[in-house]
Amino acid sequence: AQKITQTQPGMFVQEKEAVTLDCTYDTSDPSYGLFWYKQPSSGEMIFLIYQGSYDQQNATEGRYSLNFQKARKSANLVISASQLGDSAMYFCAMREGGGTYKYIFGTGTRLKVLA
Amino acid sequence: DSGVTQTPKHLITATGQRVTLRCSPRSGDLSVYWYQQSLDQGLQFLIQYYNGEERAKGNILERFSAQQFPDLHSELNLSSLELGDSALYFCASSTSGTGTQETQYFGPGTRLLVL
Repeated sequence: AQKITQTQPGMFVQEKEAVTLDCTYDTSDPSYGLFWYKQPSSGEMIFLIYQGSYDQQNATEGRYSLNFQKARKSANLVISASQLGDSAMYFCAMREGGGTYKYIFGTGTRLKVLA
Repeated sequence: DSGVTQTPKHLITATGQRVTLRCSPRSGDLSVYWYQQSLDQGLQFLIQYYNGEERAKGNILERFSAQQFPDLHSELNLSSLELGDSALYFCASSTSGTGTQETQYFGPGTRLLVL
């Protein structure tokens, strides 16, 4: 069964530094998509970045990049030059093909950026 | 602003009552998803609709039901409410609901408190 694991319940990072949030996944389907969402304290879920299983290059969106290691089944989010506004909960999610098309979310990592 | 709207934003009700949460997807999106997020928990997938038809079912209780109307808006009905149903309920939408690369966009959520 498909599964998403985020092993870091909480992390701290100093402002302007880079931080990596870990995400590992488990699937037997060769076709899948990986997503990261940000949930600030206000509660909304904000889409950050997407990586497809067949993508040859790591995805990047501004200060966000995804370190995709297919053989290790990991899809870590890297936030460069952290800002105070990056303090939030971050969720990794996966969507398989094969007909179900459900999105599975990890339990999240709470990031606190320190001034 | 993701383009997904949810009403109401907040809802306070008593145990045993019934409530209806409403969601309007982004313009052009045919697929709607419902999630429940309890306090400090990840997202639990409840149900997905595509163009009016149920496509996938997650951990949705029998007391809960949903539907998607011809104009593509969706409603989530929660009945015989219990204290444990207090949560943030999200609606999300995507274009067709069939691609692994398809991104879900979330509404702002409805915060339900059952007293």
